[in-house]
Amino acid sequence: DGGITQSPKYLFRKEGQNVTLSCEQNLNHDAMYWYRQDPGQGLRLIYYSQIVNDFQKGDIAEGYSVSREKKESFPLTVTSAQKNPTAFYLCASSIGVAGELFFGEGSRLTVL
Amino acid sequence: GQQLNQSPQSMFIQEGEDVSMNCTSSSIFNTWLWYKQDPGEGPVLLIALYKAGELTSNGRLTAQFGITRKDSFLNISASIPSDVGIYFCAGQRYSGGYQKVTFGTGTKLQVIP
Repeated sequence: DGGITQSPKYLFRKEGQNVTLSCEQNLNHDAMYWYRQDPGQGLRLIYYSQIVNDFQKGDIAEGYSVSREKKESFPLTVTSAQKNPTAFYLCASSIGVAGELFFGEGSRLTVL
Repeated sequence: GQQLNQSPQSMFIQEGEDVSMNCTSSSIFNTWLWYKQDPGEGPVLLIALYKAGELTSNGRLTAQFGITRKDSFLNISASIPSDVGIYFCAGQRYSGGYQKVTFGTGTKLQVIP
């Protein structure tokens, strides 16, 4: 079945460590996105990518980095520069610039 | 970044009752989307609306794209326990070379059996 796979689902890290969250899609979608969700809040855009080897900052990109070396993969690195990294991270993709977003199941990062 | 005004923030209803929630914005959108999120999971797309005034149904769900393109509502009829979750609206418009999506803050729905 086609879909978006995020891993790991749960991740615990010590303060000061970089962590990388994986996002893979087999929907043949061109665009991919990373969102952050905090309790009681909506989704906020971290980074997005419309095509391979290109990505743009979203509303809250500071302390995060991404790469898009393959169409199906869009990993997110949460760096030690991110001041408040504990959150639920959601990856999404869309067929193109006008398509609806489809989401993965999310990765919950807890920094101790 | 901007977020949509979504109301109500939370609702407790009896099983079998109808539910209504809405989103408003000061900006115009080309597409309105409604998602449902279960705890610890990613949002799942329920309904997509593409034209102003459009009324679309998906089973017990009905959603409308406001005439002004600045608002949308979602109705759920005859609620059941599995309707529990958080419902998000999202407005999409093409801006600055990409599909900009703005999300509402969510409506948390609790259904009392």
